[in-house]
Amino acid sequence: EPEVTQTPSHQVTQMGQEVILRCVPISNHLYFYWYRQILGQKVEFLVSFYNNEISEKSEIFDDQFSVERPDGSNFTLKIRSTKLEDSAMYFCASSGANYGYTFGSGTRLTVV
Amino acid sequence: SQQGEEDPQALSIQEGENATMNCSYKTSINNLQWYRQNSGRGLVHLILIRSNEREKHSGRLRVTLDTSKKSSSLLITASRAADTASYFCAPEGGSEKLVFGKGMKLTVNP
Repeated sequence: EPEVTQTPSHQVTQMGQEVILRCVPISNHLYFYWYRQILGQKVEFLVSFYNNEISEKSEIFDDQFSVERPDGSNFTLKIRSTKLEDSAMYFCASSGANYGYTFGSGTRLTVV
Repeated sequence: SQQGEEDPQALSIQEGENATMNCSYKTSINNLQWYRQNSGRGLVHLILIRSNEREKHSGRLRVTLDTSKKSSSLLITASRAADTASYFCAPEGGSEKLVFGKGMKLTVNP
């Protein structure tokens, strides 16, 4: 069964540092997403990406966030200057023409 | 996109029993999806039911959809301890993004 792969599984960073979370979506999927889940809270939508551009973003996805598909396989989320409140699980997902998302296992980001 | 509301918010049953969870939503949809999340893990897609379908089965899962009542149900038959997880419904229509609610926390006791 095809998988969405996320790396690293856990990242610890100092406040103010930049982090890049990486994802390899399923190869024939066209839509890509980032979600996050703060401990004990709901899974929140951050951004969707289609045809090499952002198709939708939430209020959470402010100027400190950016996404990129630098090549044909990777999809990255960059947080420019991390804050304590950015600590969360970050999930990448992709979907294809038949709907139904496939989520990655997540990256646990801890900002100290 | 809209958020589905799962009910009940928590359910505790014994292994072997059936578990039923309900989902309500507000506006018309293209499809409705159910996901499971084990503690600290990612979301796993369980089943998708399209707006023109009324019932769908996948293994021990049975999903129904009533578009006139804007509701769906997920039945897990012969539950196992490994079914312990949070379950989410995600109505989808008009936007490709999914919005997740608080989910339903299912505990299956061995």
